[in-house]
Amino acid sequence: KNQVEQSPQSLIILEGKNCTLQCNYTVSPFSNLRWYKQDTGRGPVSLTIMTFSENTKSNGRYTATLDADTKQSSLHITASQLSDSASYICVVSELTGGGNKLTFGTGTQLKVEL
Amino acid sequence: DAGVIQSPRHEVTEMGQEVTLRCKPISGHDYLFWYRQTMMRGLELLIYFNNNVPIDDSGMPEDRFSAKMPNASFSTLKIQPSEPRDSAVYFCASSRNGFNQPQHFGDGTRLSIL
Repeated sequence: KNQVEQSPQSLIILEGKNCTLQCNYTVSPFSNLRWYKQDTGRGPVSLTIMTFSENTKSNGRYTATLDADTKQSSLHITASQLSDSASYICVVSELTGGGNKLTFGTGTQLKVEL
Repeated sequence: DAGVIQSPRHEVTEMGQEVTLRCKPISGHDYLFWYRQTMMRGLELLIYFNNNVPIDDSGMPEDRFSAKMPNASFSTLKIQPSEPRDSAVYFCASSRNGFNQPQHFGDGTRLSIL
C-alpha cells in the first residue's frame, strides 16, 4: 500500500531559527512530490512541486529536497517567522494506467514562538 | 485576481438532509478538484474534472456523494442523504494546464451533520 509518512508530527521552534521537516514515501511509480502549507482555517497553499529529476527547489525561505532513490524529501525553513506557524503537508503523486493518484501525509504541525 | 471561491463557508444540518457545496474556480483554470479533510483521515481527493469532464471519481466515498461541473466557472458537490460521518472540511481547488501543476485551494466549507 502506498504511504507517505511525515515527521515530526509537531514541532515548536523559536523565531529566527531554522528547521527541517521530513517526508518518507513508498509511492510507486512516482510522478512528483508536493509540499503544502496550511494555515488554521484556510486551504492549503502550494510551496513546491518536484519531479523525479529535481533534487532541490526553493520558494523564498522554503527549500525542498528530494532523494528519489531513498524516497525521502525534506522541507527546510530558514530564519523562521511567526507566520510560518502552520501545518505542512507532503503529497506524493503516482502515475498509474488509470491516471494520477495522490497519497497524502498527515502533516507536521509547526509552531514558531517568540 | 480572485481566488477559488467556495460557499457556504459553514453548514450545519441534520442527518438525512441534502447538502450542496459550491465552488467557483479561478478563471482560465481547466482542472477542478474536490477534497475532504478530517482529523482522522487527513486530506483526501474525492474527484477531479478536466475541462468540465469528470476524470477520476474513485475517491468518492459512497453513492450518496455526487459532483457536477456544468460549466467552466461552477461546480457542486452534493451529499444526499447526509450522515454524521460526512462531517468534515471540504475543499475545492483548481489548476491550469495539468493535474501536476500547482493547485489553488479555496478556504473550504466546514460541514457539520448532526
